[in-house]
Amino acid sequence: SQQGEEDPQALSIQEGENATMNCSYKTSINNLQWYRQNSGRGLVHLILIRSNEREKHSGRLRVTLDTSKKSSSLLITASRAADTASYFCATVPSSNFGNEKLTFGTGTRLTIIP
Amino acid sequence: DTGVSQNPRHKITKRGQNVTFRCDPISEHNRLYWYRQTLGQGPEFLTYFQNEAQLEKSRLLSDRFSAERPKGSFSTLEIQRTEQGDSAMYLCASSLVWRGRGTSTDTQYFGPGTRLTVL
Repeated sequence: SQQGEEDPQALSIQEGENATMNCSYKTSINNLQWYRQNSGRGLVHLILIRSNEREKHSGRLRVTLDTSKKSSSLLITASRAADTASYFCATVPSSNFGNEKLTFGTGTRLTIIP
Repeated sequence: DTGVSQNPRHKITKRGQNVTFRCDPISEHNRLYWYRQTLGQGPEFLTYFQNEAQLEKSRLLSDRFSAERPKGSFSTLEIQRTEQGDSAMYLCASSLVWRGRGTSTDTQYFGPGTRLTVL
């Protein structure tokens, strides 16, 4: 079963705009990760944020984590056509420490319009 | 190429046939995971190995599924008597997990997947 959900399910924006995706999850976590998946391909790891962190940056990516609300957001700034993909959040529940199996959300389909 | 590789990339089979997929993890990664992804959904965990030991299997993994990692390097996932409901993308991931001062590194690197279609 899915741990949580991404919101929105689909997002279309103009190239150059910022894209924000949200993720909600259900149980206490050890860490939360964001992945990108191009159509029909494998997943590419973007960023990992631990439960004791609140914000993290990597290039044009900014991730926030609010453990009290069990939610995270991924911000992509200055979007490019190449950012078109599905984005998934994945969590490692605290109870899983020792087995870092990922529990994925349902994904956000991002389309960048040139 | 030092990433995770999976073979074949695509497999079309008839219901009732057996299929086997292979995953080659990143060299020296001690953890190997199998996930399954159906259309429009996120991946779901199937099983994982720590070196050659299979440590957990999901309830999604019926008796028709078996996975091995005989020498702690590559892994195979076999599905016997395939059913149409087995049609999905099968993803493999590997990671290097260590514990130093109570921490672990747990970034999983995924392969391109094997897309299975059961007719």
